[in-house]
Amino acid sequence: AQKVTQAQTEISVVEKEDVTLDCVYETRDTTYYLFWYKQPPSGELVFLIRRNSFDEQNEISGRYSWNFQKSTSSFNFTITASQVVDSAVYFCALSEPLRDYKYIFGTGTRLKVLA
Amino acid sequence: SAVISQKPSRDICQRGTSLTIQCQVDSQVTMMFWYRQQPGQSLTLIATANQGSEATYESGFVIDKFPISRPNLTFSTLTVSNMSPEDSSIYLCSVETTGFPYEQYFGPGTRLTVT
Repeated sequence: AQKVTQAQTEISVVEKEDVTLDCVYETRDTTYYLFWYKQPPSGELVFLIRRNSFDEQNEISGRYSWNFQKSTSSFNFTITASQVVDSAVYFCALSEPLRDYKYIFGTGTRLKVLA
Repeated sequence: SAVISQKPSRDICQRGTSLTIQCQVDSQVTMMFWYRQQPGQSLTLIATANQGSEATYESGFVIDKFPISRPNLTFSTLTVSNMSPEDSSIYLCSVETTGFPYEQYFGPGTRLTVT
């Protein structure tokens, strides 16, 4: 069965700390796509990254980095030197061609960055 | 990416009434989706709306309760019918980029409270 697990319900860190948000997925397909979205308090979902199953290169974008490991079915997201503006709910999602690319979302991790 | 707007941004409605939510995109897209996000929860797909065909509903959602229109490639509506307090949620529309890699971009959401 397809599933996305974000075991961390809520994380609190102090500004400038690094924080890693975990995402573990389950799929039987060899081709699939993984995503991270940010949902700030205003409610809109902001696209952060897409990764396909054939590209295991880690990615860095400014203070954000993503670690994709097929061996452990994980796609973790690290924020370096966190800032108060990073406070949001972060969702990991999975899509598969065999399911018409419909998204399966994890339950989200609420990140609170304290000043 | 795509710029998506939703109307209304929020509403408070009485039990038993209906509300129609509009979703407008700044470019032509084939696939549009409607999601529900209940308070503190993840996103659940309600239905997929393709222009020129009837919407496809996910398990647990029916057309009588959530009728959807998709009159053209830039617009869709979702109606929440005969509302009850359990329908209080954020309703989000999203669009899928035309062609590979099938990323979804989300509207700002409609916060619905049913009293």
